[in-house]
Amino acid sequence: AQSVTQPDIHITVSEGASLELRCNYSYGATPYLFWYVQSPGQGLQLLLKYFSGDTLVQGIKGFEAEFKRSQSSFNLRKPSVHWSDAAEYFCAVETSNFGNEKLTFGTGTRLTIIP
Amino acid sequence: DTGVSQNPRHKITKRGQNVTFRCDPISEHNRLYWYRQTLGQGPEFLTYFQNEAQLEKSRLLSDRFSAERPKGSFSTLEIQRTEQGDSAMYLCASSRDNSPLHFGNGTRLTVT
Repeated sequence: AQSVTQPDIHITVSEGASLELRCNYSYGATPYLFWYVQSPGQGLQLLLKYFSGDTLVQGIKGFEAEFKRSQSSFNLRKPSVHWSDAAEYFCAVETSNFGNEKLTFGTGTRLTIIP
Repeated sequence: DTGVSQNPRHKITKRGQNVTFRCDPISEHNRLYWYRQTLGQGPEFLTYFQNEAQLEKSRLLSDRFSAERPKGSFSTLEIQRTEQGDSAMYLCASSRDNSPLHFGNGTRLTVT
């Protein structure tokens, strides 16, 4: 069965420091992978997606992620975090049965930014 | 692009009551999804519509849950005889063909 693991439940970083959020997936075929961000009480906003091609993908808000097939990973990175980046981050894999975009999400990583 | 709209934002109900949520997708989005998110978890897929046809339902969607999208535009999700375990955030998302999902802000249900 398809699954997504986000091993870090909560991460705290200082403003201006670099960030890496981990994501590992389990999926038999070539995965379509996503990172979403969720602010408290809000829906999810797409940060970036990987379908094929270049394994380093750029997203919004200065985020990037690297797909590593050998490690079954799709880690999210940002070189310098801002206080506004504090939120919950979800990694997801598309698990389509009908050609739709049904997503399986990880349990999320909560990011706290300290001054 | 006015975004995906969900109403109400919050709903508090007593156990055993029925509740109905509404989702208005982005116009011209032919695909609509319902997800459920409990505290400390990622969203879990419930069901999927392409236009007015409900094409996939999760095993999470018990017989107390029913979703409709009668004219291929807005959708409703009804929960009958609510239980405390139904307390969650219910998220709606829409997309057009193979474009990424756009999520609404969700309806938070509390069953007392």
